[in-house]
Amino acid sequence: EAQVTQNPRYLITVTGKKLTVTCSQNMNHEYMSWYRQDPGLGLRQIYYSMNVEVTDKGDVPEGYKVSRKEKRNFPLILESPSPNQTSLYFCASSPFYSGTSTYEQYFGPGTRLTVT
Amino acid sequence: QKEVEQNSGPLSVPEGAIASLNCTYSDRGSQSFFWYRQYSGKSPELIMFIYSNGDKEDGRFTAQLNKASQYVSLLIRDSQPSDSATYLCAARSGGSYIPTFGRGTSLIVHP
Repeated sequence: EAQVTQNPRYLITVTGKKLTVTCSQNMNHEYMSWYRQDPGLGLRQIYYSMNVEVTDKGDVPEGYKVSRKEKRNFPLILESPSPNQTSLYFCASSPFYSGTSTYEQYFGPGTRLTVT
Repeated sequence: QKEVEQNSGPLSVPEGAIASLNCTYSDRGSQSFFWYRQYSGKSPELIMFIYSNGDKEDGRFTAQLNKASQYVSLLIRDSQPSDSATYLCAARSGGSYIPTFGRGTSLIVHP
């Protein structure tokens, strides 16, 4: 089954304790990205990756790191989490198409993070 | 700054009615447009995409695109309570693989 998986699905942690949220896709997609979603603010992109070893900042990258060492995996790292990073996080992947062809993003199930 | 604007709602319609959701975008270079449905606490799910001016129909859903007015809409016919969700509009510019999302419109279909 084609899917994007994230782990953990729920996480409660304390300020300053490093954590990693994993994301994996089995569709051989080149493009992967991380979003956070907060009430009233919609989906905001944190980081994205166009391919292995190619990453770039999105709209809200502060406090986050990513890596793309393998095509299928795109972990999100919070080196020193703070309460303002409490949010619902989504990983997404997409194939590349040229021109006006569809560009569907497949979303993972989400990770609800609480930082106390 | 590329922006996609949606009325946050909630939009409340009775069961069986037509729900009309609207979206405007600022980037005239946008070429592809997407509607995602998101149930509370769940991930967004693509329900429609459109890239040509005019209407595109898929079952009870119709997407409408007017590039001159920079306007995209989603019509849901015969609305059902199970359609109650937040609907996200997204736009992608030509040459970019990164879509811009609106904040979403909450739809409530009441029996």
